[in-house]
Amino acid sequence: ILNVEQSPQSLHVQEGDSTNFTCSFPSSNFYALHWYRWETAKSPEALFVMTLNGDEKKKGRISATLNTKEGYSYLYIKGSQPEDSATYLCAFNSGGSNYKLTFGKGTLLTVNP
Amino acid sequence: EAQVTQNPRYLITVTGKKLTVTCSQNMNHEYMSWYRQDPGLGLRQIYYSMNVEVTDKGDVPEGYKVSRKEKRNFPLILESPSPNQTSLYFCASNTMGRPLSYEQYFGPGTRLTVT
Repeated sequence: ILNVEQSPQSLHVQEGDSTNFTCSFPSSNFYALHWYRWETAKSPEALFVMTLNGDEKKKGRISATLNTKEGYSYLYIKGSQPEDSATYLCAFNSGGSNYKLTFGKGTLLTVNP
Repeated sequence: EAQVTQNPRYLITVTGKKLTVTCSQNMNHEYMSWYRQDPGLGLRQIYYSMNVEVTDKGDVPEGYKVSRKEKRNFPLILESPSPNQTSLYFCASNTMGRPLSYEQYFGPGTRLTVT
C-alpha cells in the first residue's frame, strides 16, 4: 500500500487568513495527484487533478502546485472564508498497471468568523 | 443532471446477513470504484472496475465482492457482514482514457452499521 501523507492533520484559521497545507507521496513513480474538498455530511468534490511536474492550478481563491521529483503538492487558500471549512483530501496514483487511487487522511480546516 | 447515486443511504443490519449496496452513474463512465471511510484512516479503496466485467481489488477488499454487468451499475456485496465493516461507504466514477488523470465523481455515501 502506497503512503500518502497530509499535514497538518487539522488547522484553525481566522477569516481572511491565507493558509496552505501539504500532501506528500512517493516520488519514484508518479502519474496523477488529485485534490478533493469534503464538507461534513456531503460527498468529496474534486478541486484539481495534476499530472505534470511543475503544474499549478487555480480555482477562485484556491490554488495548488505539484513537485513530482520531490514528491509533494501544496494547496493554498487565499483569504479564507468560513465556507472554506472542510476536510481537504489528496489522492495519488503511480501509473503503469496500477489503477488504484490512494488517499491521504486529509487536513481538516476550520475558518473562524 | 450528472450524478452518482447510492442506495440505501443508511442501513443497520446484523452480523452474517447478506446485503448489497447499489451504485449507479449516468455519465457513461468506464471507471467505477468503492471506498470506505473510517475515522483516522481516511478513504480506502475496496474495489474498482475499469469497464464491464473488469474488476480488481483495491487496498481493502477482504469481506467484499463486486460485479459489473452493466456500465452504469457497480454494486457492492457483503456476503457475511461483520461489525468491522461498519463504516461510511462511497461509490465514485470517472471517465476512461486514462481514468485517474480525471477527477472522480462521488456518490452521496452509505452509512452502514453492522451489529
